[in-house]
Amino acid sequence: EAGVAQSPRYKIIEKRQSVAFWCNPISGHATLYWYQQILGQGPKLLIQFQNNGVVDDSQLPKDRFSAERLKGVDSTLKIQPAKLEDSAVYLCASSLKAVNQPQHFGDGTRLSIL
Amino acid sequence: KNQVEQSPQSLIILEGKNCTLQCNYTVSPFSNLRWYKQDTGRGPVSLTIMTFSENTKSNGRYTATLDADTKQSSLHITASQLSDSASYICVVSPGGSQGNLIFGKGTKLSVKP
Repeated sequence: EAGVAQSPRYKIIEKRQSVAFWCNPISGHATLYWYQQILGQGPKLLIQFQNNGVVDDSQLPKDRFSAERLKGVDSTLKIQPAKLEDSAVYLCASSLKAVNQPQHFGDGTRLSIL
Repeated sequence: KNQVEQSPQSLIILEGKNCTLQCNYTVSPFSNLRWYKQDTGRGPVSLTIMTFSENTKSNGRYTATLDADTKQSSLHITASQLSDSASYICVVSPGGSQGNLIFGKGTKLSVKP
């Protein structure tokens, strides 16, 4: 089966600019996650979707981050405006259902803020 | 506070040798524990997932153990290969969770020829 697809793979922007990431989950996976992974740390959940509804966005900095999953398939994550501390890898993952299922990760988008 | 601690932080072994990575957690209640392998520049890949009632699970040369009483898990790698060089992340899912996983910081394993 095709894996989780993410684009772009790399992005370099200046602080205060905006950026968007795209994720296409594995076909049939109802649950989609966005994670932020800072160098040397484990991933931190930003937002979880079940189909096109938000299940958990408690750790999403809503003043600058937004995400949507229209039609319950693809998803986009946006940062506006970006700060230096947003430099990280943004990982998208999907699973068949939320509980006791392995999450399948994409290779992420590496974001560098200048 | 729910935490997942991994040790060692990094490890260097020779090709063909075995090694064991440790994970201690304070998550309660507990639903399941997962081990992921993350190659440099790639996303994590699931190796094993164990519920509280399971105490061992294997995936090829990888064997994970779980002691839910002491809240400890280990990942044993047998006959290591150069391709095993990666970070290994222990992940715990709290009970009743909708999938909000708690990630350890990982153990960085380097296998040398």
